Amino acid sequence: NAGVTQTPKFQVLKTGQSMTLQCAQDMNHEYMSWYRQDPGMGLRLIHYSVGAGITDQGEVPNGYNVSRSTTEDFPLRLLSAAPSQTSVYFCASTMNTEAFFGQGTRLTVV
Amino acid sequence: LAKTTQPISMDSYEGQEVNITCSHNNIATNDYITWYQQFPSQGPRFIIQGYKTKVTNEVASLFIPADRKSSTLSLPRVSLSDTAVYYCLGGGDYKLSFGAGTTVTVRA
Repeated sequence: NAGVTQTPKFQVLKTGQSMTLQCAQDMNHEYMSWYRQDPGMGLRLIHYSVGAGITDQGEVPNGYNVSRSTTEDFPLRLLSAAPSQTSVYFCASTMNTEAFFGQGTRLTVV
Repeated sequence: LAKTTQPISMDSYEGQEVNITCSHNNIATNDYITWYQQFPSQGPRFIIQGYKTKVTNEVASLFIPADRKSSTLSLPRVSLSDTAVYYCLGGGDYKLSFGAGTTVTVRA
């Protein structure tokens, strides 16, 4: 049972480039979410989904898009990368208020 | 989402009990209190959750007084591998709100 899988683990982007961070879960959870964590800080909610076809904005959504075409997958798209988006990104799937997190994607924008 | 306040850091030694207190004065009636643990370069991991009184599992105990305005996570006989950041969260659904957490450092 893999749980929550994020790819890639590391990524370097140039300012203005776009990319998609992948997240997949095999626990059949309805709720999935994306967080970013900056050095020395807690996690901040970017976007979340309560089920396939339904997404909504979290605390810091600007510059990011999401979609949820299946229960398993919840990709996060950076439209035009900026240095301020340098961070570690975590995907989570949640069941009964218990969240299961992926290993994270460390993104650097230069 | 309940706003939580917890100490920034705590130091301990191997074999000691570590108690981290979190205050959540505005917790809603239906909110649970949940604690997560995060090691460097890893995602947070669920430790324990409770609503009131005491909850114990193989990792920790959680004490919640009757007024529910605070809670205490108790880690018995810590080891070096318990060095991590511990987050206290108050909420009732899937939208989690993480503060800066408490960095617990266990020394030999």
